[in-house]
Amino acid sequence: EVQLVESGGGFVLPGGSLRVSCAASGFTFSSHWMHWVRQAPGKGLVWVSRINGDGKSTDYADSVKGRFTISRDNARNTLYLQMNSLRPEDTAVYYCAREEMTVSGVNYYYMDVWGEGTTVTVSS
Amino acid sequence: IQMTQSPSSLSASVGDRVTITCRASQNIISYLNWYQQKPGKAPNLLIYAASSLQSGVPSRFSGSGSGTDFTLTISSLQPEDFATYYCQQSYNAPVFGQGTKLEMK
Repeated sequence: EVQLVESGGGFVLPGGSLRVSCAASGFTFSSHWMHWVRQAPGKGLVWVSRINGDGKSTDYADSVKGRFTISRDNARNTLYLQMNSLRPEDTAVYYCAREEMTVSGVNYYYMDVWGEGTTVTVSS
Repeated sequence: IQMTQSPSSLSASVGDRVTITCRASQNIISYLNWYQQKPGKAPNLLIYAASSLQSGVPSRFSGSGSGTDFTLTISSLQPEDFATYYCQQSYNAPVFGQGTKLEMK
């Protein structure tokens, strides 16, 4: 069964750090781009970051650039998000998601597998 | 790229035909996906590449459009369809619409 399971969420003071993880199973992890998407309480989905299959290419939303670092360990089938200098506005459920793409003709990209999320709360 | 959904909320009844619109601030060709999210749950992919139905998704869901204007249509609303729906562009770094909450009338 294809599955993503996040862990590592918790309560942290403003300015603190936290690392969340996403364990993948049931598919060839290294063949897929992976994403982090967050959702603040009562709000919509916001894309945070993505990483390619070998970990050498990364992208970040402007709101987290310079504070968050995405990485992956393909030997452990695990995705990470290191979050530093956390702010109250970073409070959210953090989801990891697998990117898939169409293989015939033009390549279209979509997030087809999602974890259940891990909650990060930043508060004093 | 900005993604704008309308309406932000919608009241409908079981059996109704429902249409949700998503507009991109620039041409995204067909790089448009639709997701459904129920309270406390992860998003679920419904439609990718503007009009392709994801495996396992009921055929009452359909997507159309290209360029800047897209629609998600539910042909006959079922009780399990009351949820929030998001569009997302994948032309470049992902951006989600603000969501459309579909409520029971």
